[in-house]
Amino acid sequence: AQSVTQPDIHITVSEGASLELRCNYSYGATPYLFWYVQSPGQGLQLLLKYFSGDTLVQGIKGFEAEFKRSQSSFNLRKPSVHWSDAAEYFCAAGYGGATNKLIFGTGTLLAVQP
Amino acid sequence: NAGVTQTPKFRVLKTGQSMTLLCAQDMNHEYMYWYRQDPGMGLRLIHYSVGEGTTAKGEVPDGYNVSRLKKQNFLLGLESAAPSQTSVYFCASSEQGFDSETQYFGPGTRLLVL
Repeated sequence: AQSVTQPDIHITVSEGASLELRCNYSYGATPYLFWYVQSPGQGLQLLLKYFSGDTLVQGIKGFEAEFKRSQSSFNLRKPSVHWSDAAEYFCAAGYGGATNKLIFGTGTLLAVQP
Repeated sequence: NAGVTQTPKFRVLKTGQSMTLLCAQDMNHEYMYWYRQDPGMGLRLIHYSVGEGTTAKGEVPDGYNVSRLKKQNFLLGLESAAPSQTSVYFCASSEQGFDSETQYFGPGTRLLVL
């Protein structure tokens, strides 16, 4: 069965430090890949998505993600974290065809220290 | 343009009571979804709709029913609430199929079943 793994449940970084959140997906074919962010008490908002082409994808709020087929990974990065980035981040993979579903990872909660 | 709205924001039920959660979108999207979010489990799809008058089961449909009588509205019903249905419920919508399209989320409904 398809799955999306976010191995880090909780991460704490200092403001201004760099950030990398990990995401791995399973399945043979490359799915469509997404990163969503959920601020406290809010719904999810799309940060970026990857379908094909350039493996480095730029998103909103200064985030980027790199698709690595050999590692089945789609890690999210930001060079300098701001206090307002504190939120929960979800990786998701969309599988089309007969499967036709979007699978979410369990999320990574980011805390930002001043 | 309100996007996706959900009513109510918070509700407390007693076991066995019924209720309906309302989702409305003003983006003329064909697809609409109901998810539940539980700690450590990410988002799980309850039911979804691919257009007015259609509904389909998702990953965790038991104990829930849905209806989509109008394109802009998607209702989630709990006929006999159970404590296991305590969760945060999110509605989402997208233009087309949910494996590749961005989903737009509502702010969520927090439900407590005693």
